[in-house]
Amino acid sequence: AQTVTQSQPEMSVQEAETVTLSCTYDTSENNYYLFWYKQPPSRQMILVIRQEAYKQQNATENRFSVNFQKAAKSFSLKISDSQLGDTAMYFCAFMKRSNDYKLSFGAGTTVTVRA
Amino acid sequence: GAVVSQHPSWVICKSGTSVKIECRSLDFQATTMFWYRQFPKQSLMLMATSNEGSKATYEQGVEKDKFLINHASLTLSTLTVTSAHPEDSSFYICSARDSIQDYEQYFGPGTRLTVT
Repeated sequence: AQTVTQSQPEMSVQEAETVTLSCTYDTSENNYYLFWYKQPPSRQMILVIRQEAYKQQNATENRFSVNFQKAAKSFSLKISDSQLGDTAMYFCAFMKRSNDYKLSFGAGTTVTVRA
Repeated sequence: GAVVSQHPSWVICKSGTSVKIECRSLDFQATTMFWYRQFPKQSLMLMATSNEGSKATYEQGVEKDKFLINHASLTLSTLTVTSAHPEDSSFYICSARDSIQDYEQYFGPGTRLTVT
């Protein structure tokens, strides 16, 4: 079974500044996906960014970027130019490429952006 | 992007009754849907995987007789909480896997169940 660990329960950041969320995972698989999801107070899960394990290049989506270190099994998320709308719970998730496509989620990090 | 709906968004039921939650993929076909349970300020816990036309696969520790899942079509899966008790009160979320882009899962908005 895959384990996803998010060691930061809560983080606070000033508007317009940068915050980095950490995520580590444990797997024996070589072919998998990693995701960051955002869950705002509405509780709707929103995909922030996706990384394929076979790609060395780190994924970016506008103000969101990841630092994917496959050997270290680390997958951190950087939010640049933080906005008030970024306030949410962020979940790191793992999916192995197989028949079941199950997502394994970390415990989550609550990010609060201060005005 | 693809849209997944859930109905109802909030339901209150009395202890001992059953309640059905629907999950629909509105603009794509989903051969697989997933049901999650989430307690406040906690992560999503996978309850079961629902495949169209076949029996659901339940995660360890999830009572299949209490949480009945039916995936009758490529766009609809239902979760029925039978003989509900206050401890079943939770937030239930479904997701649907796009049959074409296999890594993509789209989440419904969730259903808040309160059992009194």
